[in-house]
Amino acid sequence: DQQVKQNSPSLSVQEGRISILNCDYTNSMFDYFLWYKKYPAEGPTFLISISSIKDKNEDGRFTVFLNKSAKHLSLHIVPSQPGDSAVYFCAASPLGDDKIIFGKGTRLHILP
Amino acid sequence: NAGVTQTPKFQVLKTGQSMTLQCAQDMNHNSMYWYRQDPGMGLRLIYYSASEGTTDKGEVPNGYNVSRLNKREFSLRLESAAPSQTSVYFCASSETRTNEKLFFGSGTQLSVL
Repeated sequence: DQQVKQNSPSLSVQEGRISILNCDYTNSMFDYFLWYKKYPAEGPTFLISISSIKDKNEDGRFTVFLNKSAKHLSLHIVPSQPGDSAVYFCAASPLGDDKIIFGKGTRLHILP
Repeated sequence: NAGVTQTPKFQVLKTGQSMTLQCAQDMNHNSMYWYRQDPGMGLRLIYYSASEGTTDKGEVPNGYNVSRLNKREFSLRLESAAPSQTSVYFCASSETRTNEKLFFGSGTQLSVL
């Protein structure tokens, strides 16, 4: 039973354009959401997060949008750069719980 | 500036052998985690420790044991390795118990033959 779903295994985007990565969740108790970026042979690194009391959080080129009624969040990268090519993991944490549950990841390819 | 350090980086075991994966963090974090990453499966939580002296099961704990040796160190033990445990293992830590970003180590590539 997958609680955090990233339904697109891969995504290709032209350099300079917007990249949109999507994530759906099933557990209504999730109250904090995070995005991580992973390069090959390295551990994931934190990118951006959002609390359930917000619907948008922005950090430079990265913006995360949260739609609680649809149990959906998305990560927007504008403009996309070659160094953004990586695997992106969506993660969520339930209220009052120590667990952080990850999705399967989406591999983003930025095309020159 | 080490952060989270995992050892070893690579390991090959035969079925039935045992081994311990070591993890240490130097950020004075309270919480520590063990994840495994498999192709097409993402990162799955094996065990976590919310604070020194406590451990709890994650999504896929079977076949593993953990020890929170002190605040800095959190080890993962495979008592009798199986081919299904072939994976990349990541240790992570966070400052507080909940809603905090994780800092990951660089991973251990484990192959069980």
